[in-house]
Amino acid sequence: IQLTQSPSSLSASVGDRVTITCRASQGIASGLAWYQQKPGKPPKLMIYDGSSLESWVPSRFSGRRSGTDFTLTITSLQPEDFATYYCQQFDSFPHWLSFGGGTRVEI
Amino acid sequence: EVQLVESGGGLVKPGGSLRLSCAASGFTFTSYNMNWVRQTPGKGLEWVASISSSRDSIYYADSVKGRFTISRDNAKNSIYLQMNSLRAEDTALYYCARDLGWYFQHWGLGTLVTVSS
Repeated sequence: IQLTQSPSSLSASVGDRVTITCRASQGIASGLAWYQQKPGKPPKLMIYDGSSLESWVPSRFSGRRSGTDFTLTITSLQPEDFATYYCQQFDSFPHWLSFGGGTRVEI
Repeated sequence: EVQLVESGGGLVKPGGSLRLSCAASGFTFTSYNMNWVRQTPGKGLEWVASISSSRDSIYYADSVKGRFTISRDNAKNSIYLQMNSLRAEDTALYYCARDLGWYFQHWGLGTLVTVSS
């Protein structure tokens, strides 16, 4: 399964609502996660199983699935949210994990 | 606190070999599957290999199958990545990552591998 993330980059302002989409090819992905990465740092797991938030993630973030499309939404963008976001899926058979190409969220 | 510290990266010629290590602490190592993930500016993030907690399940990305070998030493709380027949396209920052199911919940800071003549 390949993951297509869109957009590849976006410009937004503090307070904006932002939505990033990850589309799975070849049908439905078994499981999907979202990661946040800031420059010079490793990615951080934010959301897993499509919509479950890690404990450190603020409630302005949410994940949703609609068919083969997965979305990450930030309801009110904050200065610390400017980063690159990646989706990641896994298939249990054959065993395969892949990432989307990333979405850079800029001011 | 979960800590993952990678080491062993460096400059190697095409066709050469390198062994990466990852030392884990702050959690019960024998309870978790572990992974290697790499990142390049051009190709983004790429899963490389996974090893189960008991070493009975090992998986590789097609791009490294037959060239790379993942292993772990539960007595030393460490995992390894033996990389042979290295190619220019293996140049990347290599991360060690701990599982949450089949997601990557904790990451190290990475070790840089450069394959160049």
